[in-house]
Amino acid sequence: ETGVTQTPRHLVMGMTNKKSLKCEQHLGHNAMYWYKQSAKKPLELMFVYSLEERVENNSVPSRFSPECPNSSHLFLHLHTLQPEDSALYLCASSQTSGLETYEQYFGPGTRLTVT
Amino acid sequence: GQNIDQPTEMTATEGAIVQINCTYQTSGFNGLFWYQQHAGEAPTFLSYNVLDGLEEKGRFSSFLSRSKGYSYLLLKELQMKDSASYLCAVTSYGQNFVFGPGTRLSVLP
Repeated sequence: ETGVTQTPRHLVMGMTNKKSLKCEQHLGHNAMYWYKQSAKKPLELMFVYSLEERVENNSVPSRFSPECPNSSHLFLHLHTLQPEDSALYLCASSQTSGLETYEQYFGPGTRLTVT
Repeated sequence: GQNIDQPTEMTATEGAIVQINCTYQTSGFNGLFWYQQHAGEAPTFLSYNVLDGLEEKGRFSSFLSRSKGYSYLLLKELQMKDSASYLCAVTSYGQNFVFGPGTRLSVLP
């Protein structure tokens, strides 16, 4: 596997379900990100992990819970979602030195539909 | 905070040249990135500018003016496969990427 992979690619879940999205990067990067992309809206940064520590959480509802067990893996745990959470969820990774931010490499995304 | 603006949609003809503009307001500017995103796919990195001037990479070039808070992406010899959304993103010291709304480019035969 190369680059950034995400599973599943598509997910349909009810509002009472619990599911997890998985991201894995094979680029040796030290930072990973979760983004939400809704129709006709800019990419919204949700969470940032740098060296496995969460460094940013952009006022995301608690029904989204990230987990970064190591620098190559990132999860997004979902529970009691709302229909407006339906979107494309993109994972990205990059190298960062703290001061310098380098280009991000994106996974293919998970298309989530909440019914 | 950061504010990034791009035109929503543009149309151009195959073989032509198109310029996609991006204006931004931020403090502690630390770089501007352009990404291409085809419908239903992930964004892919195109270019990076941190100093004023033009960066050329094949058919694609990107320009930056930090004093004006302005960048453009220039696409030459347009091909049908260039139909996509083009995203401008800005980073600032101590901040992560903030993406603009994207410009959807349609290339017509």
